[in-house]
Amino acid sequence: DAGVIQSPRHEVTEMGQEVTLRCKPISGHNSLFWYRQTMMRGLELLIYFNNNVPIDDSGMPEDRFSAKMPNASFSTLKIQPSEPRDSAVYFCASSLTAMNTEAFFGQGTRLTVV
Amino acid sequence: KNEVEQSPQNLTAQEGEFITINCSYSVGISALHWLQQHPGGGIVSLFMLSSGKKKHGRLIATINIQEKHSSLHITASHPRDSAVYICAVGSRNQFYFGTGTSLTVIP
Repeated sequence: DAGVIQSPRHEVTEMGQEVTLRCKPISGHNSLFWYRQTMMRGLELLIYFNNNVPIDDSGMPEDRFSAKMPNASFSTLKIQPSEPRDSAVYFCASSLTAMNTEAFFGQGTRLTVV
Repeated sequence: KNEVEQSPQNLTAQEGEFITINCSYSVGISALHWLQQHPGGGIVSLFMLSSGKKKHGRLIATINIQEKHSSLHITASHPRDSAVYICAVGSRNQFYFGTGTSLTVIP
C-alpha cells in the first residue's frame, strides 16, 4: 500500500477563497483523522471519522471548516472562506481503529493564505 | 492546564548518549502514542501503548497507568534521531497532544 496520500502538498491561496484538501487513507483502515499543525499551537486534532461517520469534530475551529468522508477511500477538508490565520500544515492520518491502533500519517498539505 | 505534559521541551545530546523523554497525562486513556516528526515535517507513529513496555530497535517506550506517565527512551543516540517527539493520548472519543520535545543529537 502507498500509505496515506494527501493532496495537494502545497497550496497558496488568497484570503476569501475556498480551499479543499484531500486525503486517501490506507485501504482497510476504518478511522481517519484530520490534524492541523502551527508553530503557535502545535499539533491539533480537528476531526476524526470512524467507518466514514464523524465521531468528534470538537477541534474544528469554526463554521468555515467542514470535513466529509463520502466513502472509505476518500476524505476532504474544506475551508470557506479562507483566512490568513488558517495558514498551517494539515495532516491526514488513518488507522485500523480509532483508539487502540497505530496511526499512519500522510505527508501533509502546507497551506498558505495570503 | 494541559491534559498532556512533556518534558523536557528541548534536549541536546552527544551521539551515543542514552535519552529519556517523559510524558505525563491527567485523563483516563485508551492508549498513548509516541510520534516522531523529522525536520522535513513528516510524522511517523513510533509506538502505541496501553500498558507495559514496547521496544523497536533502539527505541523503548514504557507506560505506567497508575502513575499516568510514559517514557520514551533512545539508546545509543544518533544524529538521525534528531526530531520532535510528540506524546498523544486517546481518551474516550478525544485525543490530546503534548507540545513536543525537540531533540538534537550532536555528532
